[in-house]
Amino acid sequence: DTGVSQDPRHKITKRGQNVTFRCDPISEHNRLYWYRQTLGQGPEFLTYFQNEAQLEKSRLLSDRFSAERPKGSFSTLEIQRTEQGDSAMYLCASTQDRSTGELFFGEGSRLTVL
Amino acid sequence: AQSVAQPEDQVNVAEGNPLTVKCTYSVSGNPYLFWYVQYPNRGLQFLLKYITGDNLVKGSYGFEAEFNKSQTSFHLKKPSALVSDSALYFCAVRDNTGGFKTIFGAGTRLFVKA
Repeated sequence: DTGVSQDPRHKITKRGQNVTFRCDPISEHNRLYWYRQTLGQGPEFLTYFQNEAQLEKSRLLSDRFSAERPKGSFSTLEIQRTEQGDSAMYLCASTQDRSTGELFFGEGSRLTVL
Repeated sequence: AQSVAQPEDQVNVAEGNPLTVKCTYSVSGNPYLFWYVQYPNRGLQFLLKYITGDNLVKGSYGFEAEFNKSQTSFHLKKPSALVSDSALYFCAVRDNTGGFKTIFGAGTRLFVKA
């Protein structure tokens, strides 16, 4: 399968713990995006990368959130000192540079903070 | 700043009838417009896009969308709805003035009754 993969699919943690999600994009895609989606709502933009460079980060993203894409391939999203309000589905998407922009999404990583 | 509005939380239609899911947008410059569909417990799937050219664009599963520049709208349509079309639909816009961030609407749940 050459689609976008995310790991883990589900994560349950206690408030205050750190969590990390991983995204492996489609291999030839150099743009990678992270979104957050709460139940019944649209995806909310968090950040995106072109290769290893993080080009934009949402102002809604607190400093407890950090994302990396060290070699321009897979990406990680870390949430430090989790809060109950962080409970959501975290979606990763990728696309090719110079494309007309449709995003290819993974199935998401669901975070539950107790 | 770019934005997307989907004025209807839910659209109900009988199988075999035509359906319309509404979307309006705001963006500087020429927009790239998209529709995505999300089935339960699945990632978002790309349906169709408008980049330039013909205002009526066709996509997957018999869906089409009409771009109206004067009304800044991009409504999703299908001539004959199927029960299997029941899902959550998201309109999205990408700003092409230099950034590559895609913004999503809040979504419209389509319910097709047999």
